Amino acid sequence: DTGVSQNPRHKITKRGQNVTFRCDPISEHNRLYWYRQTLGQGPEFLTYFQNEAQLEKSRLLSDRFSAERPKGSFSTLEIQRTEQGDSAMYLCASSVDGSFSPGYEQYFGPGTRLTVT
Amino acid sequence: GNSVTQMEGPVTLSEEAFLTINCTYTATGYPSLFWYVQYPGEGLQLLLKATKADDKGSNKGFEATYRKETTSFHLEKGSVQVSDSAVYFCALINQGGKLIFGQGTELSVKP
Repeated sequence: DTGVSQNPRHKITKRGQNVTFRCDPISEHNRLYWYRQTLGQGPEFLTYFQNEAQLEKSRLLSDRFSAERPKGSFSTLEIQRTEQGDSAMYLCASSVDGSFSPGYEQYFGPGTRLTVT
Repeated sequence: GNSVTQMEGPVTLSEEAFLTINCTYTATGYPSLFWYVQYPGEGLQLLLKATKADDKGSNKGFEATYRKETTSFHLEKGSVQVSDSAVYFCALINQGGKLIFGQGTELSVKP
């Protein structure tokens, strides 16, 4: 397995357009996380899935954002009516179930850099 | 709530110098603590972790000890190399499994 992959790596869009990002986790990992990282800051949690169930959403995830993980495999993150403030690096990570051992490592993908003009 | 505070960067050192990057946390309960590293143009990689008080995580010459009494997890390396130049993030996981990161500390090592 080659690790977590994300597509596209870069996306430039105009304000008001919709964008969708894809994340393919490590195949045996049942947890999948989305984070957002702005310049000079640490990543901030957006949402996570255990298998196909979305278990938690951050208050950062406005109603313009939606994430899915059909069949518990890959995940998509869609942003509707993009705003300039959405410009950031969107990171995906996956792990085995950490319910009973929170020290399980999260493996990160390379990220999708979104620029809203 | 849960939070992580790191010393501000950038930190600039000469090769073979001693490195300390301070990290303190606020959390309820007993979080697990992590250091992640982001090399230029690359994704986040786990550098080391500690899951309970007094544990020492170590990797690639870096070390950090989980100090519950001072709520700290400072990163240290005895002799840095140019290849250690990167951004270092301290993070914790509490209940629920989501990582909470500090703001990152940029390290630049000069030959």
